[in-house]
Amino acid sequence: QQPVQSPQAVILREGEDAVINCSSSKALYSVHWYRQKHGEAPVFLMILLKGGEQKGHEKISASFNEKKQQSSLYLTASQLSYSGTYFCGPGAGGTSYGKLTFGQGTILTVHP
Amino acid sequence: EADIYQTPRYLVIGTGKKITLECSQTMGHDKMYWYQQDPGMELHLIHYSYGVNSTEKGDLSSESTVSRIRTEHFPLTLESARPSHTSQYLCASTPRGMSYEQYFGPGTRLTVT
Repeated sequence: QQPVQSPQAVILREGEDAVINCSSSKALYSVHWYRQKHGEAPVFLMILLKGGEQKGHEKISASFNEKKQQSSLYLTASQLSYSGTYFCGPGAGGTSYGKLTFGQGTILTVHP
Repeated sequence: EADIYQTPRYLVIGTGKKITLECSQTMGHDKMYWYQQDPGMELHLIHYSYGVNSTEKGDLSSESTVSRIRTEHFPLTLESARPSHTSQYLCASTPRGMSYEQYFGPGTRLTVT
């Protein structure tokens, strides 16, 4: 089951903040976040693990609510370079660890 | 900088042809993946491998097949290409362990005429 991301699209001016949400119907072991610019490959932003461990980008933060099976990505003081499509990828545990099912994506556009 | 390579970057080919998309990584990563992505759409996992001689199908059914004979190499083959196979194919890899990001290759954009 594919996770659901919201909103589908966000338009910001430089310096504004945004929150992107990701909800899963399955129990989560981890959540990955990636950004993909047009015509390029996805680039890693953040991993959140069950238990609270995080790895990621300096200026981007995220939260992971295991009980609600949700994650949120917080983009503060947005820059033009933040424009792109953001994907969350919840990861399963057990024998399927490392296998991600990506959401449909959130298109973020930052204007000067 | 991740060292994961895909060739060709672009391929236009006629219906019925056999094609192989190459993916190689020089990082010694155990796990490798193939994703299919249509323009503006989400990434769909079509194949993954946890190591040599280990391959499994992903969530999206695909007529393609893969092999993993060497750690660094994970080719994808379509025996008979069809217009419905037109898409972008992205290869990714990640080290052993549970808390590592996936490194993506630049992708192969396939067009079947």
